[in-house]
Amino acid sequence: GQQVMQIPQYQHVQEGEDFTTYCNSSTTLSNIQWYKQRPGGHPVFLIQLVKSGEVKKQKRLTFQFGEAKKNSSLHITATQTTDVGTYFCAGRSGTYKYIFGTGTRLKVLA
Amino acid sequence: DGGITQSPKYLFRKEGQNVTLSCEQNLNHDAMYWYRQDPGQGLRLIYYSQIVNDFQKGDIAEGYSVSREKKESFPLTVTSAQKNPTAFYLCASTEGGSDTQYFGPGTRLTVL
Repeated sequence: GQQVMQIPQYQHVQEGEDFTTYCNSSTTLSNIQWYKQRPGGHPVFLIQLVKSGEVKKQKRLTFQFGEAKKNSSLHITATQTTDVGTYFCAGRSGTYKYIFGTGTRLKVLA
Repeated sequence: DGGITQSPKYLFRKEGQNVTLSCEQNLNHDAMYWYRQDPGQGLRLIYYSQIVNDFQKGDIAEGYSVSREKKESFPLTVTSAQKNPTAFYLCASTEGGSDTQYFGPGTRLTVL
């Protein structure tokens, strides 16, 4: 079946360092969403990418969708302690079914 | 306030008991979902419903049951057949034509 993997599984960075998480799907995706889950919280939608090669920015966050629409990345510039949490990508599988990536847990050391 | 509510936040049950987790939304969304999250892991789909009185099994439906009698409600029953029920359960919904999922705060179920 369709699988969505994320690497790394964990990342510890010093505050101010950059961070990148990668999302890889076994099949082509029509679009991809990114979510952030704070410790003890629930996933919150960050952004959706639709077009091949698309790049979107939200302040210090940069999201990319691969040319083949099978991979994506999230890059955070100059991390802050507020960036702590687990970042998930998700792709649609069928009309109403979604497959979530395994997640990357980010810890920012002050 | 519009959103998704799940209750209770924490739930404890004895092994062998069925338990029903509540999920209510006032977003007027057609589609609703139940996910299970285990410590340090991603979200796995249990059941989803595209419309009232219709639902489909997700990837890990065994030991769970759902109903969708009202648009705003999608309760999940964890039955005694579920071998490892202790987990964090998340309910979500999507608006028609959109892939953005709105999540409830979750219910942390512990089976003793």
